[in-house]
Amino acid sequence: DTGVSQNPRHKITKRGQNVTFRCDPISEHNRLYWYRQTLGQGPEFLTYFQNEAQLEKSRLLSDRFSAERPKGSFSTLEIQRTEQGDSAMYLCASSLTGTQYFGPGTRLTVL
Amino acid sequence: AQRVTQPEKLLSVFKGAPVELKCNYSYSGSPELFWYVQYSRQRLQLLLRHISRESIKGFTADLNKGETSFHLKKPFAQEEDSAMYYCALSADTNAGKSTFGDGTTLTVKP
Repeated sequence: DTGVSQNPRHKITKRGQNVTFRCDPISEHNRLYWYRQTLGQGPEFLTYFQNEAQLEKSRLLSDRFSAERPKGSFSTLEIQRTEQGDSAMYLCASSLTGTQYFGPGTRLTVL
Repeated sequence: AQRVTQPEKLLSVFKGAPVELKCNYSYSGSPELFWYVQYSRQRLQLLLRHISRESIKGFTADLNKGETSFHLKKPFAQEEDSAMYYCALSADTNAGKSTFGDGTTLTVKP
């Protein structure tokens, strides 16, 4: 499968713990995006990379959230000191020409 | 600020009937508009984008800048069209960051 992959697919954690998600984009895509989706809503933009540079961050991305794309390939999204409000689906997408290709998402549940 | 509104959360039609999923947007510049679809247990995928002016799976969408709308239409709905549909706006084609609406669940009844 040469599509966008995300790991893990599901994560259950206790409030206050740190979690890290990984996204592997389509190999030739230079742009990578993170979105968050809660029940009944559309995806909300979190942050965006072009190659290894993080070019834009949403106000939604508090200082507990950090994202990296160290070699311009895969990306990680870390959430520190998780809160129940962080429970959501976290989506990754990649693109080369503007059309975004989405991964299956990581569903986070914070107890 | 960018905003996308999909006024209908749920839409139900019978097979063979026409279907229109509404999308209105707010943006001061010249946006690029997209429709994404998510079938049951599948990932979000692009259905069509306005600059390509294609018809995908019988669906079309016309960008109306005067009414700031980008409604999705299909003359004869099929049961396999049942899915969640999201309208999205991108202010910068090169960056591609998108603002999504909250989606419309389309159910096509036999």
